Amino acid sequence: EVQLVESGGALVQPGGSLRLSCAASGFTFSDHYMEWVRQAPGKGLEWVGRSRNKANSYTTAYAASVQGRFTISRDNSKNSLYLQMNSLITEDTAVYYCARGGQGWPLDSWGQGTLVTVSS
Amino acid sequence: DIQMTQSPSSLSASVGDRVTITCRASQSIGTYLNWYQQKPGTAPKLLIYIASSLQSGVPSRFSGSGSGTDFTLTISSLQPEDFATYYCQQSYSTLWTFGQGTRVEIK
Repeated sequence: EVQLVESGGALVQPGGSLRLSCAASGFTFSDHYMEWVRQAPGKGLEWVGRSRNKANSYTTAYAASVQGRFTISRDNSKNSLYLQMNSLITEDTAVYYCARGGQGWPLDSWGQGTLVTVSS
Repeated sequence: DIQMTQSPSSLSASVGDRVTITCRASQSIGTYLNWYQQKPGTAPKLLIYIASSLQSGVPSRFSGSGSGTDFTLTISSLQPEDFATYYCQQSYSTLWTFGQGTRVEIK
């Protein structure tokens, strides 16, 4: 069974940094694209970025709203995905989900999400 | 970026009703269109992928259609557990985008 478990959400001040983690199990992690999606309170879903798979050299892509501030990485030995968030702004307040995806393919498995609150 | 526009934003329906939600892309996306269901406090769940393929375990009352720029999610007979918010999402371009969501409420 595919399982994704996010952690690391917290209250952080504007301008601060935070790193989220996503622990994956039940599938061959290095074979899959992994995505981050967020949802601000009471709002819709927003794609944040992705780490491609081994066949695509684990390259990354980001939404314009986070480009230059957020960095996605992965540790395939630990089956873990990370989201390093710097220069946080209040608009980054959201539940952050990791999900399994792929170019042209849907998000077929999701974690439970972790809440990030950016506030002074 | 490709913009995804859903309509309606919300609807009220009764158990047993046929419900249709539409999603329009700002440019052609072929059939790279997926549908998700989200209930309050939970993660989204994949319902339909590549416009019309039913995800394993999803009831057959859900169906999807369309190609190019216009897509439809249909629930043939609404059940109590179907009251939720539904999102379309394009996986055509490098930068993915979601529709704004359609909230299905009990009439």
